[in-house]
Amino acid sequence: DARVTQTPRDKVTEMGQEVTMRCQPILGHNTVFWYRQTMMQGLELLAYFRNRAPLDDSGMPKDRFSAEMPDATLATLKIQPSEPRDSAVYFCASGKQGAETQYFGPGTRLLVL
Amino acid sequence: AQTVTQSQPEMSVQEAETVTLSCTYDTSENNYYLFWYKQPPSRQMILVIRQEAYKQQNATENRFSVNFQKAAKSFSLKISDSQLGDTAMYFCAFMRTNYGGATNKLIFGTGTLLAVQP
Repeated sequence: DARVTQTPRDKVTEMGQEVTMRCQPILGHNTVFWYRQTMMQGLELLAYFRNRAPLDDSGMPKDRFSAEMPDATLATLKIQPSEPRDSAVYFCASGKQGAETQYFGPGTRLLVL
Repeated sequence: AQTVTQSQPEMSVQEAETVTLSCTYDTSENNYYLFWYKQPPSRQMILVIRQEAYKQQNATENRFSVNFQKAAKSFSLKISDSQLGDTAMYFCAFMRTNYGGATNKLIFGTGTLLAVQP
């Protein structure tokens, strides 16, 4: 049963620390999305990649966030330095060429103290 | 820019009854998809149903069906024979399509929290 995996599932950290979240898309999927879910803003896109190339990162605060795809099986989202307002659930989703559906990972719940 | 509006923050339904969740959207695009995702307390986002804008026939998946009114830009979800396991947050989402069939970003509504009462 193919699925998107994300690590860690939960993360508690202190303000100023670096946070790295990882995502493994479904094998064969060429598009990877990072979404953030908060009570105030709901679900919003941070960035996405197609064939490992960044297509849109306009939703991401550039000064502290970075997203990369070192290879086709790994996407990373980093926050440095983290702030309490970054506390949220971060979802990774993947999709493939010719198919409209995105499949979501279980999310990483981040709490920055 | 596209927007998705869900005007019902919370709803409640008795087990075995039918409930309809509302969603409206705004877009100038002609080619797009609409989705309903379910998010139970486990926080996993689960696809419930999808609708291609060019199809006039309403999508159906078992107990779930939609009423897609393209001219009115309305996309409601009907859940028949509600079950306790349907208790979740439901999100309506919009995705424009492009030639070549690539997936694009989802634009979500604010969600409707559905509680199924025993």
